[in-house]
Amino acid sequence: SAVISQKPSRDICQRGTSLTIQCQVDSQVTMMFWYRQQPGQSLTLIATANQGSEATYESGFVIDKFPISRPNLTFSTLTVSNMSPEDSSIYLCSVRGVGLNTEAFFGQGTRLTVV
Amino acid sequence: DAKTTQPPSMDCAEGRAANLPCNHSTISGNEYVYWYRQIHSQGPQYIIHGLKNNETNEMASLIITEDRKSSTLILPHATLRDTAVYYCIDDSNSGYALNFGKGTSLLVTP
Repeated sequence: SAVISQKPSRDICQRGTSLTIQCQVDSQVTMMFWYRQQPGQSLTLIATANQGSEATYESGFVIDKFPISRPNLTFSTLTVSNMSPEDSSIYLCSVRGVGLNTEAFFGQGTRLTVV
Repeated sequence: DAKTTQPPSMDCAEGRAANLPCNHSTISGNEYVYWYRQIHSQGPQYIIHGLKNNETNEMASLIITEDRKSSTLILPHATLRDTAVYYCIDDSNSGYALNFGKGTSLLVTP
């Protein structure tokens, strides 16, 4: 299993500013994932963060808006840049092993409100 | 887009079995069926997964039809704490990101 700590758990931010969300895992993992969950909606994958390479972004998400760092196998950050009220969502970090039993583990999420 | 179909909502009386259906008619031979749930204000939690045989663990049972086109998650004795959104996902178990659909919102009532 993996335990994921996300910081901050919630924040209220002014439009036009940026927020960096941290994700710390208690074990080394190859791939980490960042999701967005808009109010009342399901989870949408933003990007896959691999250690030692650029993150891979899903359609509709760009690096300028959601820059990601992955400095080592246990840590990643997601920045939400130049925020607008439409960015108000829960942002979740996830990890998954590779192999036969590859269940995914999730952080508790960061609830972001942009005013 | 997600490849599974689930009813948007279901109710279940406390103490009764909750049977949550999922249609995954386009599942391929190497894809597993995964179930996760998300309790309000928490990250998703793994419940169970299977390939073609029925599976049971301490949380739930998973019944997969012989043609693998559908499955049912069974919570044998639902409690109020089982109120959550339940997601059925077909996945190749390759370690890549899960593709979430809309899920089923289960309400367990006293």
